[in-house]
Amino acid sequence: DTAVSQTPKYLVTQMGNDKSIKCEQNLGHDTMYWYKQDSKKFLKIMFSYNNKELIINETVPNRFSPKSPDKAHLNLHINSLELGDSAVYFCASSQARMAPSSYEQYFGPGTRLTVT
Amino acid sequence: AQKITQTQPGMFVQEKEAVTLDCTYDTSDPSYGLFWYKQPSSGEMIFLIYQGSYDQQNATEGRYSLNFQKARKSANLVISASQLGDSAMYFCAMREVANDYKLSFGAGTTVTVRA
Repeated sequence: DTAVSQTPKYLVTQMGNDKSIKCEQNLGHDTMYWYKQDSKKFLKIMFSYNNKELIINETVPNRFSPKSPDKAHLNLHINSLELGDSAVYFCASSQARMAPSSYEQYFGPGTRLTVT
Repeated sequence: AQKITQTQPGMFVQEKEAVTLDCTYDTSDPSYGLFWYKQPSSGEMIFLIYQGSYDQQNATEGRYSLNFQKARKSANLVISASQLGDSAMYFCAMREVANDYKLSFGAGTTVTVRA
C-alpha cells in the first residue's frame, strides 16, 4: 500500500497551459505539504495544509493554487505554466504540524513537470 | 541566510567502508529537529534518521548514525559498511518551532559507492 501517492508521475505540457497534480495519503496524517525541487536538486517548501486549512504559503506565484478537499488529499493547480515551472513537485505528509519535531515527513514519489 | 549547509557536493566511497556526510545548521531556536533523507536516482525521498535538539544521545538507525555536535551546530551523517545501494543524494534538513515547523533542506551531497 502506497503511503503518499501522486498523479501523474510525469507531466509534459506547453507554456500557457493549466495543469493539476493530485496527492493522496493513507496514513491518517493531519498535515500535508507541497515542495518544489529545481534542476539543481534544491528542495523548497511551497505550501502546507493542516486539516484542510492553509497554514504555510511561501513566496510562490499566485498562478499556483493548492486545494485540500479533505485531510487525505492535497492538489496543486498551476495556471499559465511558464518554462521556469519545470521541476519535480513533491507532496508530503506528517502526523501533526505542531507535534514534537521528531515527526518526519513522508514524501510521495514526485511529479516531474516539464514545460516546453 | 542559508539555514542548512552541506559543503560536499559529491563523494566517492569504497564498498564496505564508512562515509561521513557533513551538515551544519543555523538557528537561534532552542527547539528544533534535524533530519536526513536519501534520494536515489529513482527520485523518491526516503527518511533515514532524526535528531532532536534536546536529545542527549546521538541517533542511530541500523547502518546510519548521526554525529550531533550541538555547540558546533553540526549534524553529520555516518553511513557504515557502505553498500552499492547507498549510492544516492543525501539531504540534511531542519525543522524549527520558530520557523513555523517548516522543513528547510540543504543542497544535498551525492554519494557514489564503488565496488
